[in-house]
Amino acid sequence: GQQVMQIPQYQHVQEGEDFTTYCNSSTTLSNIQWYKQRPGGHPVFLIQLVKSGEVKKQKRLTFQFGEAKKNSSLHITATQTTDVGTYFCAGATTSGTYKYIFGTGTRLKVLA
Amino acid sequence: DSGVTQTPKHLITATGQRVTLRCSPRSGDLSVYWYQQSLDQGLQFLIQYYNGEERAKGNILERFSAQQFPDLHSELNLSSLELGDSALYFCASSVDVNYGYTFGSGTRLTVV
Repeated sequence: GQQVMQIPQYQHVQEGEDFTTYCNSSTTLSNIQWYKQRPGGHPVFLIQLVKSGEVKKQKRLTFQFGEAKKNSSLHITATQTTDVGTYFCAGATTSGTYKYIFGTGTRLKVLA
Repeated sequence: DSGVTQTPKHLITATGQRVTLRCSPRSGDLSVYWYQQSLDQGLQFLIQYYNGEERAKGNILERFSAQQFPDLHSELNLSSLELGDSALYFCASSVDVNYGYTFGSGTRLTVV
């Protein structure tokens, strides 16, 4: 079945450093979403990418959807302690039933 | 408050028992999704409903069942509980399948 993997699994960065997490799907995606889950919290929707090669920015966060629509990345510039949490990508395919499969997540720790 | 209400917040029960988790979606959302998150793990998709009908199924055990009622709230029933069923169960809702999900705060189930 469809699998969505994320790397790295964990990342510790010094405050002010950049951070990138990568999401790879075993199948072509119709679109991809990104979520952030703070420690002890629930996932919060960040953004959705639909078009091949699409790039979207939200302040210090840059999201990219690959040309082949099988991978995506989230880049955070100059991390802050408020960026701590686990970042999940969620990919949807239209083969069979339409549902989002969440990636394995990247847990980010920011050291002050 | 995300607008998605899950009850109860915590549940402790013994092996072999049966529990019901409840979810009220955000006003206006027709789709409801259930996810299971084990300790430090990703989000495993269980099942999706749209306007009262089952839309998609994930790796949901036969011991688990769910339904969405006419008022759009949903219940997840877990029976013959095992220690391994201990997890955080999230409900999410969205307007339709191609929109970002709004997650509830989750129900933490502990099976002893």
